[in-house]
Amino acid sequence: DTGVSQDPRHKITKRGQNVTFRCDPISEHNRLYWYRQTLGQGPEFLTYFQNEAQLEKSRLLSDRFSAERPKGSFSTLEIQRTEQGDSAMYLCASSLGSIRGSTEAFFGQGTRLTVV
Amino acid sequence: AQSVSQHNHHVILSEAASLELGCNYSYGGTVNLFWYVQYPGQHLQLLLKYFSGDPLVKGIKGFEAEFIKSKFSFNLRKPSVQWSDTAEYFCAVTPYNNNDMRFGAGTRLTVKP
Repeated sequence: DTGVSQDPRHKITKRGQNVTFRCDPISEHNRLYWYRQTLGQGPEFLTYFQNEAQLEKSRLLSDRFSAERPKGSFSTLEIQRTEQGDSAMYLCASSLGSIRGSTEAFFGQGTRLTVV
Repeated sequence: AQSVSQHNHHVILSEAASLELGCNYSYGGTVNLFWYVQYPGQHLQLLLKYFSGDPLVKGIKGFEAEFIKSKFSFNLRKPSVQWSDTAEYFCAVTPYNNNDMRFGAGTRLTVKP
């Protein structure tokens, strides 16, 4: 499978613990996005990378959230001191972009986080 | 605030009925427009997209969408739905030269056999 892959698919954690998710984009895609989706809502933009540079961050991304894409390939999203409100599906997407804009984004299956 | 609105939260149709799902956005400039579908248990998949040119866009599985700039709309249509079209449908908008793709809340489509 050469699509976007995310790991793990499911994560249950206790409140206050740290969690880290991984995303492997489609190999030639230079852009990588993180979204959060809660029940009954569309995906909400969290952050975006072009190659290794994090270019945009949503105000939804509190200080407890950090994302990296160290070599411009895979990315990690870490949530520190998790709260019950962090429970959601975390989606990763990638696209092949240029200065003039992006092509369509391809999504992974997501990581479902449950904070108990 | 810039937003994407999908007016129908849940649509229930019988097979062979025609479908139209509404999508409106509030960005003032040039935009790229998308419809994504999420089948039960699967990831988001692109149905169709509009970047420029003919405002009537044809996508996969018989879906089409029409971009009406004056109405800030990008409605999704299908002349005759099938049971297999049961899924959640999301409209998305990316302002030109911006990488912040905004999604609507989604419309759940249930097609009864």
